[in-house]
Amino acid sequence: GNSVTQMEGPVTLSEEAFLTINCTYTATGYPSLFWYVQYPGEGLQLLLKATKADDKGSNKGFEATYRKETTSFHLEKGSVQVSDSAVYFCALTLRGNQFYFGTGTSLTVIP
Amino acid sequence: EPEVTQTPSHQVTQMGQEVILRCVPISNHLYFYWHRQILGQKVEFLVSFYNNEISEKSEIFDDQFSVERPDGSNFTLKIRSTKLEDSAMYFCAGQGAPNEKLFFGSGTQLSVL
Repeated sequence: GNSVTQMEGPVTLSEEAFLTINCTYTATGYPSLFWYVQYPGEGLQLLLKATKADDKGSNKGFEATYRKETTSFHLEKGSVQVSDSAVYFCALTLRGNQFYFGTGTSLTVIP
Repeated sequence: EPEVTQTPSHQVTQMGQEVILRCVPISNHLYFYWHRQILGQKVEFLVSFYNNEISEKSEIFDDQFSVERPDGSNFTLKIRSTKLEDSAMYFCAGQGAPNEKLFFGSGTQLSVL
């Protein structure tokens, strides 16, 4: 079947620390991969995406590379800020009309 | 940026009661979704809706669930007879075309007592 597995949270980091949130997937075809972010009190928002192997999605200093050989799409940021505190969701879709999400990883950045 | 609006933000109901969760998608979107997240678990796909009919649904979306777009603006999820295990955060989302990003509402927290 199709599924996404994310690293367990919560994650707490100091400002300017390096962030990695792991995401691996299983899929019956060739998925598009996404990271969504949910700030407190808001809906999920697209952070970045990659639609084929070796693509790198990037936005707001976050990056993730679509690795077909390891079926991974790990989220990274070199220097986190307090404003990055949110819940991060990894997701995939095969046909663009059904999405599979992970459990979400809560990130808290402390000054 | 345009927003997806969900109401109410919190809904408390007794087991066996019917609930209707409401969503106002972005006006030029054509594809609509409901997802839910039980506390501590994955965000689960429930149903997708296009051209006034269901296009995909998960095994969670049984006969107790229905969706409707009654007036071309609202998109509703009805649970006919709620169960304790229906307690979750329910997210509405819209999309302009397949593979475009989803625009989510901020969710309705449903608590079934």
